[in-house]
Amino acid sequence: DAGVTQSPTHLIKTRGQQVTLRCSPKSGHDTVSWYQQALGQGPQFIFQYYEEEERQRGNFPDRFSGHQFPNYSSELNVNALLLGDSALYLCASSRQGRNTEAFFGQGTRLTVV
Amino acid sequence: GEDVEQSLFLSVREGDSSVINCTYTDSSSTYLYWYKQEPGAGLQLLTYIFSNMDMKQDQRLTVLLNKKDKHLSLRIADTQTGDSAIYFCAETFGGSYIPTFGRGTSLIVHP
Repeated sequence: DAGVTQSPTHLIKTRGQQVTLRCSPKSGHDTVSWYQQALGQGPQFIFQYYEEEERQRGNFPDRFSGHQFPNYSSELNVNALLLGDSALYLCASSRQGRNTEAFFGQGTRLTVV
Repeated sequence: GEDVEQSLFLSVREGDSSVINCTYTDSSSTYLYWYKQEPGAGLQLLTYIFSNMDMKQDQRLTVLLNKKDKHLSLRIADTQTGDSAIYFCAETFGGSYIPTFGRGTSLIVHP
């Protein structure tokens, strides 16, 4: 079992550009959540996907959007990048009804210059 | 509102016990969690406790919950250098399973 995998591991983008991050959940998991972790901070919840729909959303602007595919994998899209979007983006997967046990991926380190 | 607070740093000697503390503000917390993050890595769920419990033990880890004071602690017995990491306290509320995280406590274990 590969666990939760995220790609890419690192990337650098310019202000104003758009970025797509990808996540494959742990085998048997159907729910994917995305978090932003700024340097020196705890993870902040962005949104959660289940059955290909956004189910819950944190306090993030509409520039942050996502998608879940039929195989449960997910993408996070960020438009019009700002310097403040530089962070570690974490994906967590879980099973509906067993959300107490969420498994996190290694994260994607995004640097906006 | 939701708020989870932790001290930022803890330094211990190898072989000693470590105690990492956390306070939270919402009395309707459902579950309380401890996660570990090693440098350059994602978060690893260490353990969690349901809000109607006051203690949970799992090998070297002991979690204590004081609901009256809204205080959660994680004790690591016989701390090893491999335990050096950032430890995050987190809580969920009601029917939501979205954890709210603290800023993390950086545990440094020295010989």
